[in-house]
Amino acid sequence: NAGVMQNPRHLVRRRGQEARLRCSPMKGHSHVYWYRQLPEEGLKFMVYLQKENIIDESGMPKERFSAEFPKEGPSILRIQQVVRGDSAAYFCASSPAGQGGGYTFGSGTRLTVV
Amino acid sequence: SQQGEEDPQALSIQEGENATMNCSYKTSINNLQWYRQNSGRGLVHLILIRSNEREKHSGRLRVTLDTSKKSSSLLITASRAADTASYFCATQLNTGTASKLTFGTGTRLQVTL
Repeated sequence: NAGVMQNPRHLVRRRGQEARLRCSPMKGHSHVYWYRQLPEEGLKFMVYLQKENIIDESGMPKERFSAEFPKEGPSILRIQQVVRGDSAAYFCASSPAGQGGGYTFGSGTRLTVV
Repeated sequence: SQQGEEDPQALSIQEGENATMNCSYKTSINNLQWYRQNSGRGLVHLILIRSNEREKHSGRLRVTLDTSKKSSSLLITASRAADTASYFCATQLNTGTASKLTFGTGTRLQVTL
């Protein structure tokens, strides 16, 4: 069981480019969560998805950010027209269906915007 | 905001000593969880305590929960250099469905030899 797989581990983008971050949840997990972490800070919730459904996107910036979790394939967090302030570590976590319980986190994608 | 606040922000102790970290939150919860994050890595789930539980143990970890004070503590006994990491509490709300975790600001623990 490979756990939560995120790729790439490191991503460098120039201002104005698009960033695509991928997350494959743990086998058997149907819930995916994306978090952003700035240096020396805690994790900020961005979005919660199930297959083909966005359950809670209250933490997503209104513009330039989108997320999906298609029926087949990984969950994608997409950032369009990146700016320097988007530089951060982006973590994906997954959990099985049901109420309450611990998450399994991926190792994160560190996005640097130059 | 539901976000937890952890105290202290940073803690430095010697190997063999106990480390205590505290977490406070603002609203009713379904459960509270503690995670560890080593520098530059993802978070690792340590322990979960439900709102109807007051204390839980796992190895060298002891977690308490006081819902009347909306606070929790994590005690690591007989600390080791390998315990050096950031520790975060996280809460799940009473929504009736699986809900997002809201993380605190973290305590950076340094264990020296």
